[in-house]
Parts: sequence; C-alpha cells; structure tokens
Amino acid sequence: GNSVTQMEGPVTLSEEAFLTINCTYTATGYPSLFWYVQYPGEGLQLLLKATKADDKGSNKGFEATYRKETTSFHLEKGSVQVSDSAVYFCEMKTSYDKVIFGPGTSLSVIP
Amino acid sequence: KAGVTQTPRYLIKTRGQQVTLSCSPISGHRSVSWYQQTPGQGLQFLFEYFSETQRNKGNFPGRFSGRQFSNSRSEMNVSTLELGDSALYLCASSSYPGPQFFGPGTRLTVL
Repeated sequence: GNSVTQMEGPVTLSEEAFLTINCTYTATGYPSLFWYVQYPGEGLQLLLKATKADDKGSNKGFEATYRKETTSFHLEKGSVQVSDSAVYFCEMKTSYDKVIFGPGTSLSVIP
Repeated sequence: KAGVTQTPRYLIKTRGQQVTLSCSPISGHRSVSWYQQTPGQGLQFLFEYFSETQRNKGNFPGRFSGRQFSNSRSEMNVSTLELGDSALYLCASSSYPGPQFFGPGTRLTVL
C-alpha cells in the first residue's frame, strides 16, 4: 500500500551544520511530494514541493529532489540556523489525491 | 489572500461533552481536510471534504464527524469527548493539484 517513511529524530545540530532528513515513499502511480515545517505553537507551512521525477524543490536554503529510482525525497540544507528549529513533515499526495504524512522529524539547532 | 482560519483557537471541555470546531478555507479552495496532532501519535488524518462531500476518511471512531457547507467552510464535531481526544486539530485547504495550506489549529483540552 501507500506509505511514507521518515527519519524520526529528534535531530540536534550546531549552527551552520549540514542537515539531511530522510524521506522515502511507497506508492502506485506518480505521487506529488512535499515538505512542510511546523514552528512551535503554529500550524504546518509548506516548505517546498516536487510534482514529478527529478524535480528539485527549494525554498529558504532547503532543497529536496524527487528521486523515482530510490523512491526518496530527502530534505537538505547546507548551513542550518537556530531559527530552523522546528518539526519537519514529509508528505505524499497520490494520483488518487490521497494524502499521507510521515511522522515528522524534530530539529533543534544550537548556537 | 487571507489564509486558513480556525475557530476557536483554544477550547477546554470535560469528558462526555461534545465540541464543534470551525474552519474557513482560503478563498477558491474547495478541498478541506482535518487532522489530529498529538505528541504520541503524530499527525493523523481525520477526513477530507470536497464540494460538500466527504471524499476520504481516516481511521477514527464515529464520534468524529464533519461537514462542509456550500461556501467551502467546514466544521468538525466530536461527541462524547474522552481524555484521549485532547490534541491540536488542524484544518487544511487546497486547490487541486496544489499543496495544502494549514490553519493555526484549535487546541482542545479534555478534562
């Protein structure tokens, strides 16, 4: 069936470190993929998206590439800041419009 | 464009009571989804409405119900509240095939 697997964390990094949060999916057809971020006390915000294989989504220094061959959509950022501390969710929307979220990864960035 | 709004933002109820939460989507969005977020279970999908019809449903008991009005506004109702229903309830709207836009959530506490 359809599913999203995401590294759960929590992840703690020092400021300016490199970030990778892994996300892999299982789906029939060709899903769209999204990363959302949730800052403390707030709802989720769309961070970036990719709708087809080899698409690269990017925003605020974050990037993720839709890799069909490895069914992955890993989130990366070259140099994290304290303000990036939040929970990150990987989401898949299938061809049938079914939405599946990963469990979320909590990131803490320390100065 | 105004974002997704949810009312009320905070709610305290006692066991056995019922509660109704409201969500106003972004203008032009016809799909509204509801999620329950708890520290233990993460983000869980409740249901999705599209053009006043329930299109998808998650794995929640019948005490959880919802509806959507002709102006796309949606309400969610929980009857016979239990302690375990304490959570952040998030509403999201979307316009196919785009991403979801989330509201700030309603924090429900059941005593």
